[in-house]
Amino acid sequence: DAGVIQSPRHEVTEMGQEVTLRCKPISGHNSLFWYRQTMMRGLELLIYFNNNVPIDDSGMPEDRFSAKMPNASFSTLKIQPSEPRDSAVYFCASSSRTISYEQYFGPGTRLTVT
Amino acid sequence: AQTVTQSQPEMSVQEAETVTLSCTYDTSESDYYLFWYKQPPSRQMILVIRQEAYKQQNATENRFSVNFQKAAKSFSLKISDSQLGDAAMYFCAYRRSTSYGKLTFGQGTILTVHP
Repeated sequence: DAGVIQSPRHEVTEMGQEVTLRCKPISGHNSLFWYRQTMMRGLELLIYFNNNVPIDDSGMPEDRFSAKMPNASFSTLKIQPSEPRDSAVYFCASSSRTISYEQYFGPGTRLTVT
Repeated sequence: AQTVTQSQPEMSVQEAETVTLSCTYDTSESDYYLFWYKQPPSRQMILVIRQEAYKQQNATENRFSVNFQKAAKSFSLKISDSQLGDAAMYFCAYRRSTSYGKLTFGQGTILTVHP
């Protein structure tokens, strides 16, 4: 069974550009999470979906960030406009109530904003 | 709000020896889950072990075991017979027991394994 799939694995962009990160959760999982990892702040939750509905977006840094989950098999995290301080590794994770809600992480997207 | 603290930024161990990584947490909940995740240089987050707070028995997964002290809010990870492949960043994480799935992570501990 394929794990969580994220694309791209690496993204380098210039300040002011729009960036879209993509995630395909594990089939059958009903919860999806976006985390950000930085040296300064460690791993922090950005947003959490349950059954495609955003449940908690309190971790989204500001209006430049938005996330969508149009269906059970796809989610996007968009940054517009991007800034150098957005440089980080962005992880997507999914979980299912049938396996005690354990979260399985994707390989992450390393974003560099110059 | 729940917090997770890992007081050891770095640890090292000789191959085949045993090492213990520390983690403390703060919560007002009585039921919750605790996890240890491993992040090797590939940056993939790998679940190592899980502990349910309502279980008194410490979880064990092969060479990995935990010492869960609920009253002290302590959750340490013991790695026995350390291997070179154990070298990684290790994160302790907390999650409420309800279906709400947010993980709160500690700052991480870098583990170096010397041959």
